Amino acid sequence: DIQMTQSPSSLSASVGDRVTITCRASQSIGKYLNWYQQKSGTAPNFLIYSVSSLESGVPSRFSGSGSGTDFTLTISSLQPEDFATYYCQQNYNAPLTFGGGTKVEIK
Amino acid sequence: QVRLVQSGAEVRKPGASVKVSCKTSGYSFISYTIHWVRQAPGQSLEWMGWINAGNGNTKYSQNLQDRVTIARDTSASTAYMELSSLRSEDTAVYYCARDWCSSRCDLFDYWGQGTLVTVSS
Repeated sequence: DIQMTQSPSSLSASVGDRVTITCRASQSIGKYLNWYQQKSGTAPNFLIYSVSSLESGVPSRFSGSGSGTDFTLTISSLQPEDFATYYCQQNYNAPLTFGGGTKVEIK
Repeated sequence: QVRLVQSGAEVRKPGASVKVSCKTSGYSFISYTIHWVRQAPGQSLEWMGWINAGNGNTKYSQNLQDRVTIARDTSASTAYMELSSLRSEDTAVYYCARDWCSSRCDLFDYWGQGTLVTVSS
């Protein structure tokens, strides 16, 4: 199974900050990397597919980059509605696996 | 609009089974794959398996394949996930999620609201 490791597991940031979350795969997954946002008590929300393509309706302050084993999610200017937990997910092969999550909290 | 609406919370004793439903609307049910993903309290997400709603083909996580069954009723546009021989570690919120691609690309665009399954004696 491909292990997905996110860092940090949590971070504190202020509105307007630039935030970067890292996701590392245990083997090369090319560009088969996606990101989800989950707010407390709700289902995940699909943000980014194939490393850097934004799902329809996702604000442009979100961006993704990387390839192979190392990937990043960047929020260019954190907004109040962005405080949530973020998960990476690989769809390179089954079993589909997720990272452990990064909780973005208000400083 | 696309909607996935799941059945309500369940409480089961260890060793029992549970069946969760996922009723879909707003799109052609048979054109997309439905996945099931679970999340234990305070934990990350765990993919359980998928069903091709058109032909009924399934694939399960090896960790669960002896205990999980995913099925669908095309006339009701509904998918089902049944988990047997429940253990306390199966306590989690269970989600159904639609595959983003009609040809299946193993990522999830629309999700159900989640169903809490509690396993306790």
